[in-house]
Amino acid sequence: EVQLVESGGGLVQPGGSLTLSCAASGFTFSSYWMSWVRQAPGKGLEWVANIKQDGSEKYYVDSVKGRFTISRDNAKNSLYLQMNSLRAEDTAVYYCARRSAAGTVFDHWGQGTLVTVSS
Amino acid sequence: DIQMTQSPSTLSASVGDRVTITCRASQSISSWLAWYQQKPGKAPKLLIYRASRLESGVPSRFSGSGSGTEFTLTISSLQPDDFATYYCQQHNSYSLTFGGGTKVEIK
Repeated sequence: EVQLVESGGGLVQPGGSLTLSCAASGFTFSSYWMSWVRQAPGKGLEWVANIKQDGSEKYYVDSVKGRFTISRDNAKNSLYLQMNSLRAEDTAVYYCARRSAAGTVFDHWGQGTLVTVSS
Repeated sequence: DIQMTQSPSTLSASVGDRVTITCRASQSISSWLAWYQQKPGKAPKLLIYRASRLESGVPSRFSGSGSGTEFTLTISSLQPDDFATYYCQQHNSYSLTFGGGTKVEIK
């Protein structure tokens, strides 16, 4: 069974940093693109970042470029999101998601971890 | 970036109703359109990709159609488990975008 378990969320002050982790199991992690998708409280979904199987390609939504970094460790079956210079508008539940082999859609999701940016 | 617009934002329906949700793209995305279902406090669930391909395990009462800029998600006979929020997502470009969502409520 595919499982994605996020961790690392919490309360952080504006301008602060936080690193999210996602532990993957139940599939060959190194064979899949992986992504982060977020959802602000009461709002819709927003794709944040993608990373290729070997980490050689990374893509970001414009609003996080230069502040967030997606990375992965295939030996540890883990995905990460380093978030710097956090803003109030980054407050959201952050989901780790597996990109389907059928295209750039998300066929498995974690339960999400809440990041709150507030003073 | 490609903008995705869903309508309606809220829909009230009864069990057994046929329900249709529309998603429009700001430019042509061919058939690169997916649909997700999300229930409160839960992660989204993939229903349909490439406009009309049903994800494994998804009931056949869900169907998708369209191409170019206009797409629809149809639930042929609404079931109690289908009351949720539905999102479309374009997967035509590296910059992925979702629609604003359609909440399907009990009438």
